Amino acid sequence: DAGITQSPRHKVTETGTPVTLRCHQTENHRYMYWYRQDPGHGLRLIHYSYGVKDTDKGEVSDGYSVSRSKTEDFLLTLESATSSQTSVYFCAISESGGQSYGYTFGSGTRLTVV
Amino acid sequence: AQSVTQLDSQVPVFEEAPVELRCNYSSSVSVYLFWYVQYPNQGLQLLLKYLSGSTLVESINGFEAEFNKSQTSFHLRKPSVHISDTAEYFCAVRLPGANNLFFGTGTRLTVIP
Repeated sequence: DAGITQSPRHKVTETGTPVTLRCHQTENHRYMYWYRQDPGHGLRLIHYSYGVKDTDKGEVSDGYSVSRSKTEDFLLTLESATSSQTSVYFCAISESGGQSYGYTFGSGTRLTVV
Repeated sequence: AQSVTQLDSQVPVFEEAPVELRCNYSSSVSVYLFWYVQYPNQGLQLLLKYLSGSTLVESINGFEAEFNKSQTSFHLRKPSVHISDTAEYFCAVRLPGANNLFFGTGTRLTVIP
């Protein structure tokens, strides 16, 4: 998707290892979000950021941490990956909290924890 | 608390037939409403949105949705579907002033030739 890039696109990792997913934007948008997508659950918010070093928890934040040291980068870290964190992770950006503009989504990262 | 219910997890429909994907929300206050589409192996794309004004909103590819406040619904319709409409569709809601969207569980639309 234009202006937003997620890396890696695919990752397989072992239980108990740390994993960091990266979201990079070139739109200079204030808001950035991390969601996970699972069958039967739709998309659920993990964490979001409303500015550099300003973050807040979503509905499924346990086991995840985030950091935003620059406007363009929002990192999601699984400190010790578990099999329940196998999922597809989407980053999204929004100019003004999304009230009028909705979100722009990245292409996703498919994470498998074995 | 707000929630979004998409009543059908899968909807198969023949090409050129009409389709309706249902979405209901629960909220005691006014909300903003969105439909997103996800094609295979891609991220979600905004299809259409209702913020205020006319209750009928349209997308550029022939979909429309109607906000019905009394029934707390925002169903998505298309009078004649194409093979290329095969995708997963997500309804989402947002409270005014809130920072994030709440998504439904999605409806997988499969168009059959």
